[in-house]
Amino acid sequence: AQSVTQLDSQVPVFEEAPVELRCNYSSSVSVYLFWYVQYPNQGLQLLLKYLSGSTLVKGINGFEAEFNKSQTSFHLRKPSVHISDTAEYFCAVSRTDSWGKLQFGAGTQVVVTP
Amino acid sequence: DTEVTQTPKHLVMGMTNKKSLKCEQHMGHRAMYWYKQKAKKPPELMFVYSYEKLSINESVPSRFSPECPNSSLLNLHLHALQPEDSALYLCASSHAAGEFYNEQFFGPGTRLTVL
Repeated sequence: AQSVTQLDSQVPVFEEAPVELRCNYSSSVSVYLFWYVQYPNQGLQLLLKYLSGSTLVKGINGFEAEFNKSQTSFHLRKPSVHISDTAEYFCAVSRTDSWGKLQFGAGTQVVVTP
Repeated sequence: DTEVTQTPKHLVMGMTNKKSLKCEQHMGHRAMYWYKQKAKKPPELMFVYSYEKLSINESVPSRFSPECPNSSLLNLHLHALQPEDSALYLCASSHAAGEFYNEQFFGPGTRLTVL
């Protein structure tokens, strides 16, 4: 079995401040890790992914994430947020032996205010 | 073309109606997915098609009937739905099993309301 935990359901942040969204997972096998963003009334857009190799992954829109195998974490960061980053963020895990099934965390709502 | 398109954007239907949702991609992907997303919740996988064959059905009620006419198209036929089926229905596509990795590309969704 596997599980994905996003520790914060909502993160308020001021414009131009940094933000970190936390994601922890548990799995008995190796996994691929993803962060998706969902803007209001839209589908999901892939921000970044970890498949293998360097544990620091850079994505679109200035986001990056670090894979920590010992802590089974994949936290997402952005050094300076914009109002337009207001959205729901989902961490997702796919087992390497079970393609086709993405397991999502519960999501973190980021609200950026001026 | 790196887009997944879905039609219609919005759909309102009665419990006795029959309707269909449509999804299309032209990225050469051979795996396509249907997800259901309730408000403030993550997407829940419903069906997966691989090479036009149904490979995963997550115990979805039979009032939802998927169809994959070809490698670019995915339909979801709806019949005798319940109000609790109201949700955002998302389609996604990816390279199929045996490919390098499973990055899924999502469409914008169809917002379904069942009266």
